[in-house]
Amino acid sequence: SQKIEQNSEALNIQEGKTATLTCNYTNYSPAYLQWYRQDPGRGPVFLLLIRENEKEKRKERLKVTFDTTLKQSLFHITASQPADSATYLCALLSWYGGSQGNLIFGKGTKLSVKP
Amino acid sequence: KAGVTQTPRYLIKTRGQQVTLSCSPISGHRSVSWYQQTPGQGLQFLFEYFSETQRNKGNFPGRFSGRQFSNSRSEMNVSTLELGDSALYLCASSLGGQEIYNTGELFFGEGSRLTVL
Repeated sequence: SQKIEQNSEALNIQEGKTATLTCNYTNYSPAYLQWYRQDPGRGPVFLLLIRENEKEKRKERLKVTFDTTLKQSLFHITASQPADSATYLCALLSWYGGSQGNLIFGKGTKLSVKP
Repeated sequence: KAGVTQTPRYLIKTRGQQVTLSCSPISGHRSVSWYQQTPGQGLQFLFEYFSETQRNKGNFPGRFSGRQFSNSRSEMNVSTLELGDSALYLCASSLGGQEIYNTGELFFGEGSRLTVL
């Protein structure tokens, strides 16, 4: 069956360090992968998208890698700050017989950055 | 521009009742997707509407239904509520059509938190 797994339910790091979150998938042929941030009681907010033919994407302190051989994406936050504390969700859009599918989300990793 | 608006934000129902949730997408967005979020299952896809047509559907029972109007506003309905339907229901809008292949970005509302007693 198709699965998206975010390896850690929770990740605690010290301010200033790099946070690395992992997203693994099985039995998908993803067109692209996205990362979202969700704060308590709020809807998810889009952060970054990476396509199947891209290896890496950057946006300010954020970096995403995508390895379709390993079926894995890594999400990095460099120089982390307490304000980065939130739940981070990865999501995949895959193809169904050549037509557009829907966005499937992992369960998320709750990041806590301690001052 | 205004974001995605969901109403009501909070509601409490009892088992067996039915509920209707409303979503107003960002102006110009033709696609509306609905998700159910629970602590145990995370975000689960319910369905997606594009130009008043259901384009995709998740693995939910027929008690869950939706529709989209000509102005792109969408509603979802849950009939014969069960305790397990207690969740945060999130609506997300996007440009839809071919644009989704360029960014795929979903814009989420704040959600409707449903409690079934």
